[in-house]
Amino acid sequence: KNQVEQSPQSLIILEGKNCTLQCNYTVSPFSNLRWYKQDTGRGPVSLTIMTFSENTKSNGRYTATLDADTKQSSLHITASQLSDSASYICVVREINDMRFGAGTRLTVKP
Amino acid sequence: DVKVTQSSRYLVKRTGEKVFLECVQDMDHENMFWYRQDPGLGLRLIYFSYDVKMKEKGDIPEGYSVSREKKERFSLILESASTNQTSMYLCASSFLVGYEQYFGPGTRLTVT
Repeated sequence: KNQVEQSPQSLIILEGKNCTLQCNYTVSPFSNLRWYKQDTGRGPVSLTIMTFSENTKSNGRYTATLDADTKQSSLHITASQLSDSASYICVVREINDMRFGAGTRLTVKP
Repeated sequence: DVKVTQSSRYLVKRTGEKVFLECVQDMDHENMFWYRQDPGLGLRLIYFSYDVKMKEKGDIPEGYSVSREKKERFSLILESASTNQTSMYLCASSFLVGYEQYFGPGTRLTVT
């Protein structure tokens, strides 16, 4: 069983709308959690990183939250743009290991 | 800016062929990684290297080998390609384990 579960698998929204992607993990001990954005045909690029003590972190229209007690993270995208169409991957770090979620495929339509 | 380059964007090989995938990074990173990415499975670590000539198996090393003769270059080798190795292969590098990984653009390999 994957130690990092993301939901939904895919999502279609209209341009300008908000959306929230979920990441639940069972990785322990937890070190940090990153959200990556992967455009089609490209490698993933880091959006945010959160450590145990951080609850929320923003990067422009992207806001990540972390609840280390319930082992849940979310990525909220505000006022979506066509360029937000991509896969979003949650990555949780143990001490010496990285665990990847399967990703959420987001499509933003005009 | 960190740059990670991969030798090919697309490759088509026949079953049984030996396949080399090359990755080069220009930031003097210690760590380099090879992943494969399949729909619904996410990225799975094949091998990683934390120093020149050093390598560690990842989660799915079977059917693969790696070579790191120089710090900036990390090669993935499929000794005898099989159809179940058709996948997207991503190379990454990082300064230290756990630090941000910088990914290359990927190589989409098709084995027929």
